[in-house]
Amino acid sequence: AQSVAQPEDQVNVAEGNPLTVKCTYSVSGNPYLFWYVQYPNRGLQFLLKYITGDNLVKGSYGFEAEFNKSQTSFHLKKPSALVSDSALYFCAVRDNTGGFKTIFGAGTRLFVKA
Amino acid sequence: SAVISQKPSRDICQRGTSLTIQCQVDSQVTMMFWYRQQPGQSLTLIATANQGSEATYESGFVIDKFPISRPNLTFSTLTVSNMSPEDSSIYLCSVEYGQGTYTFGSGTRLTVV
Repeated sequence: AQSVAQPEDQVNVAEGNPLTVKCTYSVSGNPYLFWYVQYPNRGLQFLLKYITGDNLVKGSYGFEAEFNKSQTSFHLKKPSALVSDSALYFCAVRDNTGGFKTIFGAGTRLFVKA
Repeated sequence: SAVISQKPSRDICQRGTSLTIQCQVDSQVTMMFWYRQQPGQSLTLIATANQGSEATYESGFVIDKFPISRPNLTFSTLTVSNMSPEDSSIYLCSVEYGQGTYTFGSGTRLTVV
């Protein structure tokens, strides 16, 4: 069965510092991996995805994520955090060997302090 | 990607009553998905709604409690029936627009008192 874990409930960073939000996954086949963001009182927005190819994927708002197959991780990163990045971030995985269902992680709340 | 209009954005309801949530998509889509996001928790898939057929419900969710309609390729409703405080959640509809990527409605924040 597929699963996704976000080990940190909350991440605190200072504005201008790099940020990392961690995600690990488990699937039986080749994964599609996603990051979504949820700003207060708004729906989820797609940030980026990994399907195949280059392990480093770039997405919206300056975010990027690195697919690491040996560590089964897909950490979200940004070189310089903004206060406006403060939101709830969800990692998601889809197993393409069957079912095609997307599973979402528990979410990590990011606080960026000015 | 598709744009979804979801309403109501929030509601406060009395226990025992029902609430119907509507989602309108700006393009035709085969499948629409309904999720629940309980306070402080992740998204849980309630059901998948296909036009012209019965919705497919996930384990733990039943049609009597969460009836879904899908009258055409751009519209769907989810009803939360006979509500209790445990139903207080954010309800989200979504559609897939390519390779597993979803776009979501803005959500309905339901409080049952």
